[in-house]
Amino acid sequence: GGIITQTPKFLIGQEGQKLTLKCQQNFNHDTMYWYRQDSGKGLRLIYYSITENDLQKGDLSEGYDASREKKSSFSLTVTSAQKNEMAVFLCASSIGDEQYFGPGTRLTVL
Amino acid sequence: QQQVRQSPQSLTVWEGETAILNCSYENSAFDYFPWYQQFPGEGPALLIAIRSVSDKKEDGRFTIFFNKREKKLSLHITDSQPGDSATYFCAASGIASSSFSKLVFGQGTSLSVVP
Repeated sequence: GGIITQTPKFLIGQEGQKLTLKCQQNFNHDTMYWYRQDSGKGLRLIYYSITENDLQKGDLSEGYDASREKKSSFSLTVTSAQKNEMAVFLCASSIGDEQYFGPGTRLTVL
Repeated sequence: QQQVRQSPQSLTVWEGETAILNCSYENSAFDYFPWYQQFPGEGPALLIAIRSVSDKKEDGRFTIFFNKREKKLSLHITDSQPGDSATYFCAASGIASSSFSKLVFGQGTSLSVVP
């Protein structure tokens, strides 16, 4: 078994602020993902990475940067937080078809 | 464009009843259909999955029925328990490479099981 850890659990930012979310996995999976979850809208893919130092844009990459400096970690940066934004950011890793999710980071922008 | 659609948006059943959650998709290339269960404050967890070569997949009280011709599938939860109260996501992907599987998620069905 393994686990995905996301930090911080809650993140409160100011409009225009640059914010970084972190994810660690000990499954030894090659592929990692960042999703955004908005109420009533399911999960939308922001970035994914199939190996260390690889980055691929998903459907919702505008306004975000990502970094995969080692196999076990994947970071997401909100480049300029939008006022009144509220969402949950979910990190996942996969082997084959099966994706495993972390508990999420809940972002609130004041 | 919503490629995976779920209905109903919310569902309430009595304890012991069968809950039926529906999902439909548009892309004929989709081959793999997992259902994820998410409790408040947690990330989604894989519950059960089916491939398009099968028309039924069973795991305890959870069963997926799949109709490839109509591009529809459903998740049946028999003998529903209050602990099953959660949001359920249907997802779909094409044939995965060894390194990547792009899942498209539906918007979720919120299930409440009343004792």
